[in-house]
Amino acid sequence: EDQVTQSPEALRLQEGESSSLNCSYTVSGLRGLFWYRQDPGKGPEFLFTLYSAGEEKEKERLKATLTKKESFLHITAPKPEDSATYLCAVPEPKTRTNFGNEKLTFGTGTRLTIIP
Amino acid sequence: DTGVSQDPRHKITKRGQNVTFRCDPISEHNRLYWYRQTLGQGPEFLTYFQNEAQLEKSRLLSDRFSAERPKGSFSTLEIQRTEQGDSAMYLCASSLVVRNYGYTFGSGTRLTVV
Repeated sequence: EDQVTQSPEALRLQEGESSSLNCSYTVSGLRGLFWYRQDPGKGPEFLFTLYSAGEEKEKERLKATLTKKESFLHITAPKPEDSATYLCAVPEPKTRTNFGNEKLTFGTGTRLTIIP
Repeated sequence: DTGVSQDPRHKITKRGQNVTFRCDPISEHNRLYWYRQTLGQGPEFLTYFQNEAQLEKSRLLSDRFSAERPKGSFSTLEIQRTEQGDSAMYLCASSLVVRNYGYTFGSGTRLTVV
């Protein structure tokens, strides 16, 4: 069964202090990895999909990278509005043509707090 | 289209009562998913539909849970004889089969069983 482990569980940073969140996974074949942001009391919001080792994607102060065993979410010069829980997930597709749209196995998330 | 809508946002019920939640997906999305999330945990898969067909149910979904998606549009999730362990956030999400941009989640229904 696919496993997704995120670390740290919680991270407090000063505004402007860059850091990285980790997501490690054990899957039988790399089928991609999703990153989501979740604010308290709301559903997760899609950030990135990474499909292959070496791939990188960026959005504002966030950059996601992928290796064969883990993914990192780098946050550069964060602001208080970046405070949220960041979740990663891996898909369990039934077939290759359904990649990315089957059920996802989520990690427990990293709760990020940016202090002004 | 304003995204995925869930109703109600909050539900408090007494143990043993039945509850039903509704999800309205993005209209052009043909896949609909239900997840459950407890405090400090990531969302946990419950079931999903492609159009009106329920393609998979989690083995964690007991017989007290049932989901429907009549006519491939909105979906309902019913929990019968609720238990305190059912207290959680129930999340609905939708997606297109051919587009790999991830799910769009609703804001969820927070269920509290007292």
